[in-house]
Amino acid sequence: GAVVSQHPSWVICKSGTSVKIECRSLDFQATTMFWYRQFPKQSLMLMATSNEGSKATYEQGVEKDKFLINHASLTLSTLTVTSAHPEDSSFYICSAWGAVNEKLFFGSGTQLSVL
Amino acid sequence: DAKTTQPTSMDCAEGRAANLPCNHSTISGNEYVYWYRQIHSQGPQYIIHGLKNNETNEMASLIITEDRKSSTLILPHATLRDTAVYYCIVRGNTGGFKTIFGAGTRLFVKA
Repeated sequence: GAVVSQHPSWVICKSGTSVKIECRSLDFQATTMFWYRQFPKQSLMLMATSNEGSKATYEQGVEKDKFLINHASLTLSTLTVTSAHPEDSSFYICSAWGAVNEKLFFGSGTQLSVL
Repeated sequence: DAKTTQPTSMDCAEGRAANLPCNHSTISGNEYVYWYRQIHSQGPQYIIHGLKNNETNEMASLIITEDRKSSTLILPHATLRDTAVYYCIVRGNTGGFKTIFGAGTRLFVKA
């Protein structure tokens, strides 16, 4: 079945550094990908919608300069957390829409810890 | 905002059917009902989706009321591994639609 690969699974970084998270659709083309963040014991919060070849659409309250999203190909979207701070520590999850299956497939998530 | 409401938590005995309700009274004609579940520290897993007819697959059954304002996910024989948070979502069936998650239902399957 369709698989979305998210990498890395976890990352620890120092405050002020940038972290890049990759999301790949392995056996299908994803014109639209979504990025979420999730705090402990809370639901997923949509951060942005990413369409291949165009700028991402960010949800209200999400800083576009802080969370850079690139969707350069039909199988890859990246989220870069720039100048990360401890409050950015969270579980980040990507998802990709598979038009053939009419389903949204999710990556396994990235746990980011900023020290 | 999420377009669905679900009970916060439910318990189910192992081997029994788990029936998880979802209200989506503002669902539009072109919106589907999707169910996902999330086990701790993992990405959500697709379970099933439907438009207006009842659906069944190897994981679960989805019962949608005739007016489409509510639905029920049925896990026919719950196991301990079915303990998870279950999310009911309504969205259109093309990529451009946003997928907004509500709080979900935390299902505890007990031995």
